[in-house]
Amino acid sequence: DQQVKQNSPSLSVQEGRISILNCDYTNSMFDYFLWYKKYPAEGPTFLISISSIKDKNEDGRFTVFLNKSAKHLSLHIVPSQPGDSAVYFCAAKDTGTYKYIFGTGTRLKVLA
Amino acid sequence: DVKVTQSSRYLVKRTGEKVFLECVQDMDHENMFWYRQDPGLGLRLIYFSYDVKMKEKGDIPEGYSVSREKKERFSLILESASTNQTSMYLCASRGGNTIYFGEGSWLTVV
Repeated sequence: DQQVKQNSPSLSVQEGRISILNCDYTNSMFDYFLWYKKYPAEGPTFLISISSIKDKNEDGRFTVFLNKSAKHLSLHIVPSQPGDSAVYFCAAKDTGTYKYIFGTGTRLKVLA
Repeated sequence: DVKVTQSSRYLVKRTGEKVFLECVQDMDHENMFWYRQDPGLGLRLIYFSYDVKMKEKGDIPEGYSVSREKKERFSLILESASTNQTSMYLCASRGGNTIYFGEGSWLTVV
C-alpha cells in the first residue's frame, strides 16, 4: 500500500520552461512534505518543504504547492536548467512520528 | 550545513560475509536512519534510531541490524550478506522536520 505516489516515472522539459513534478498521498495525517533531488551515485539533497498548514512555499526557482483537499503536492521549477536534470523524490512525514514515506521518484531531464 | 558522512562509498562483498556500513553526522541530531534505494521502489526504511542505544525496525529490517553507541555514529550491519542486498544504502539524520542524507554507499554482493 503506497501512501505516497509519484505516478510519472519521467519528464522531459525544454531549458527555460517550467517543470512540474507531481506527488499524490493518501494519509491525511501527514503534517510535513519535502522534496529531494538526487543525482546518480549521490545521496538525495533536500530542496524545499512545506507544512500541512500552508498551501505554498517558495525558494528561488523552486515552489511547492500543497492541495490538501486533493491530497496532492507539486514542485514547480522555473526556469528549468540543464543542471536540474536529476531524480526528484517527494516525501511525507507522519504526524507525531519519525516516519518519512518516500515516493518512487520522477526522473527529470531538462533539454538544452 | 549538516554533514552526514558515509565512510564507504563502494563495496563489493561475497555472499555470507558480514558487512559494516558506517555513518557519522556532525549536527548532534538525536534521530538517525538507514534507508536503501532500489530502482522503482523509492527509499525504504531499514532501521531508525531515536537516540543512543535506541533503535526501531523500519519497513524492511530482515537481514540487517544496527548499532548506535555514540550519538554521532549509526552503523548498519549485514550479518550474512546475500545477493538481494545489493543496493544503494543511505544514512540520514533529522534536524527539525527535515532529514539530511549522506552520499550513499553502493554495495554489491557477489
